[in-house]
Amino acid sequence: KAGVTQTPRYLIKTRGQQVTLSCSPISGHRSVSWYQQTPGQGLQFLFEYFSETQRNKGNFPGRFSGRQFSNSRSEMNVSTLELGDSALYLCASSIGGNTGNTIYFGEGSWLTVV
Amino acid sequence: AQKITQTQPGMFVQEKEAVTLDCTYDTSDPSYGLFWYKQPSSGEMIFLIYQGSYDQQNATEGRYSLNFQKARKSANLVISASQLGDSAMYFCAMRELYGNQFYFGTGTSLTVIP
Repeated sequence: KAGVTQTPRYLIKTRGQQVTLSCSPISGHRSVSWYQQTPGQGLQFLFEYFSETQRNKGNFPGRFSGRQFSNSRSEMNVSTLELGDSALYLCASSIGGNTGNTIYFGEGSWLTVV
Repeated sequence: AQKITQTQPGMFVQEKEAVTLDCTYDTSDPSYGLFWYKQPSSGEMIFLIYQGSYDQQNATEGRYSLNFQKARKSANLVISASQLGDSAMYFCAMRELYGNQFYFGTGTSLTVIP
């Protein structure tokens, strides 16, 4: 069974540009969530989608957005990139939203903003 | 208040010895799930073990066990017979009943010494 797939794995962008990251969840998983990880802030929750609907959103500016498609694949977009957006972006999927539903992570997308 | 607290930024353990990584949590939900993840330097978050709040017995998965003390709100990870490949960051996480996001601690960096 294929795991969570994130693309691209590594990318370098210039300040002011925008970036789109993609995530394909484990087959059968309908929930996809996104996290930003930086050395200073640790793991921070961005948002979670379930059946194409955003169910929960973290405390990030509107430059960070996401969506989920009917096949459960998800994308996140960051517009007007800032140097502080440099981070590892992790996508995770789970079957649903019960407390016992484990989330499984992809390998992450390393974003560097210069 | 922090939902998940990991008070050990770094730990060292001799190969083949056991090590305990501490985790305390804060929630008022009657039902919740507790998780541990391992993150090697490659970045991927690897699920290790899960404990449900109503589980009577401590969870075990191979060399990993979770020492769950509900009254103290603690969910420590015990790794027995440490191996060099166990060197990584370890994150404790919680999912509450009424929420769709995971709360992560700041992590503990474990180094296994040969």
